[in-house]
Amino acid sequence: RKEVEQDPGPFNVPEGATVAFNCTYSNSASQSFFWYRQDCRKEPKLLMSVYSSGNEDGRFTAQLNRASQYISLLIRDSKLSDSATYLCVVTDTNAGKSTFGDGTTLTVKP
Amino acid sequence: DAEITQSPRHKITETGRQVTLACHQTWNHNNMFWYRQDLGHGLRLIHYSYGVQDTNKGEVSDGYSVSRSNTEDLPLTLESAASSQTSVYFCASSSQRTGARNEQFFGPGTRLTVL
Repeated sequence: RKEVEQDPGPFNVPEGATVAFNCTYSNSASQSFFWYRQDCRKEPKLLMSVYSSGNEDGRFTAQLNRASQYISLLIRDSKLSDSATYLCVVTDTNAGKSTFGDGTTLTVKP
Repeated sequence: DAEITQSPRHKITETGRQVTLACHQTWNHNNMFWYRQDLGHGLRLIHYSYGVQDTNKGEVSDGYSVSRSNTEDLPLTLESAASSQTSVYFCASSSQRTGARNEQFFGPGTRLTVL
């Protein structure tokens, strides 16, 4: 079993749709959590950190459930420009390493 | 502006040759990382460093080495390139080991082909 698991998709949604991505992790010592966005095999870029209380940044909402070792990303009112691969990242700061999920691919269509 | 750069951006080499990929960051970050990304896989950690003279093995370190002689650079060396090392290589850096703000900043990547 992988340390960080994501549904690979692809998710194909129309513009304006709401879409949710899930991510589970197996290392209970994980302490920091992030969502990154990657376009067409370019470098990953930070989308948002994930906080225990949940956090929102515009149309994006991230949630963390430590008990279930589960992270989610919700995108509202999808735009064509949201088409990308979304990577879930889990960091064990004691070990000093981050583990990346394989990513979930989103395509937003007109 | 601070940045992280990689060179070369594209490299074609032959099996058995030694290859070095450069990574240079001007963020003054202590932490630097090398990943490879293959189709069907996410990013896999090769080596990482928490400061000058510090290096550590990641999950796929066999056949690779790094050295950290200054804060800005972490070159990745393939001792004897193999076709299985054909991949896209990303370098990254971060300022902190702990906390919610220890996100990593990535270079543009090096696409390596081993024939």
